[in-house]
Amino acid sequence: LAKTTQPISMDSYEGQEVNITCSHNNIATNDYITWYQQFPSQGPRFIIQGYKTKVTNEVASLFIPADRKSSTLSLPRVSLSDTAVYYCLVGAFSGNTPLVFGKGTRLSVIA
Amino acid sequence: DSGVTQTPKHLITATGQRVTLRCSPRSGDLSVYWYQQSLDQGLQFLIQYYNGEERAKGNILERFSAQQFPDLHSELNLSSLELGDSALYFCASSRTTWDNEQFFGPGTRLTVL
Repeated sequence: LAKTTQPISMDSYEGQEVNITCSHNNIATNDYITWYQQFPSQGPRFIIQGYKTKVTNEVASLFIPADRKSSTLSLPRVSLSDTAVYYCLVGAFSGNTPLVFGKGTRLSVIA
Repeated sequence: DSGVTQTPKHLITATGQRVTLRCSPRSGDLSVYWYQQSLDQGLQFLIQYYNGEERAKGNILERFSAQQFPDLHSELNLSSLELGDSALYFCASSRTTWDNEQFFGPGTRLTVL
């Protein structure tokens, strides 16, 4: 089961682009990289998922280098409402390897 | 709104008691997952059901059990409650049994006094 390492916390000003990097050195060939967002006292919310290169949706972009040992979640022009905990997960959900949520990165957006 | 509903929203009970948490998945979703989130342990996967059958088990205590009914709603039963069981319990659902994209409910906050 691939372990992930991400910063415990980050601060950003409103309007800036925020990049959160996650390390996953022992990622397996069939593993996907998934990011979730969680606001206080709410359930996590799926943001984006990718396997390699770049994935973009209406919320974020996910950059994955060729060796796939890390990934970067990019949030364009953050606002106060983006203050949350962001989790990086690696794995392919199966009967033996459920999703493992680590401690996540606590992003604080400042006005 | 994820489409996943959980009841009750809050539950306060005493040590030694038994409680049942209920989850209704999104329409069409066959998998239901249960998670426990406490301040010191983070979000921990407990158990997953797919179309009525247990599919995966995580760090679920023997005092805890779950089931998924024919209408696909699920219940998590917690018995012989201890102070340390106080936590947020989330239910999530997904379309199939192999989804990294899960839809989480609003959670049930359990307080054991």
